[in-house]
Amino acid sequence: GAVVSQHPSWVICKSGTSVKIECRSLDFQATTMFWYRQFPKQSLMLMATSNEGSKATYEQGVEKDKFLINHASLTLSTLTVTSAHPEDSSFYICSAQTSGRAGEQFFGPGTRLTVL
Amino acid sequence: SQQGEEDPQALSIQEGENATMNCSYKTSINNLQWYRQNSGRGLVHLILIRSNEREKHSGRLRVTLDTSKKSSSLLITASRAADTASYFCATGGGSNYKLTFGKGTLLTVNP
Repeated sequence: GAVVSQHPSWVICKSGTSVKIECRSLDFQATTMFWYRQFPKQSLMLMATSNEGSKATYEQGVEKDKFLINHASLTLSTLTVTSAHPEDSSFYICSAQTSGRAGEQFFGPGTRLTVL
Repeated sequence: SQQGEEDPQALSIQEGENATMNCSYKTSINNLQWYRQNSGRGLVHLILIRSNEREKHSGRLRVTLDTSKKSSSLLITASRAADTASYFCATGGGSNYKLTFGKGTLLTVNP
């Protein structure tokens, strides 16, 4: 149980285009989902926290107009990187948490974004 | 912001040896968790230790927590080549359970 999927697993796009990444909790309902970014050989940096049905809370320094997050249902959150640039190339990882398992997050396999 | 600091940053050992990784943090915590990440993959949750616990075991893993020193250690006994991965500690707390990750230790277990 507690499986989280991400789609796509990797994507290559041209500079200036937008890319949508999906995060799904497959066998549980996630009241909260988190989006992280990880640069090569570095740790995970939290970008934003999203709660189902409400606006996402962004971490300091993360542009909310560039990284659009939608958490429309208890099993799906999406991250859209708008007008992507090469510096947005990174590994994006989501995690999902239920209200009943405080402190434990279940992570997706990640999405590798390469912007040319 | 990054709160945890792991050391060493990289560790290379032979199969069968034990591997110890340390993590320090700065603020008070409710719990501390350890995760493993294989190259280019997502994170796998290994173990969670609560602030009122001092030691916890899970299979070949042993985690200690010293809240007075704001530090934790992860010991992997009888390491295997398959244990090769990056290991991260993460502290969580607060009403929305945000996790703050350390910089990680890259463990290489040579066969």
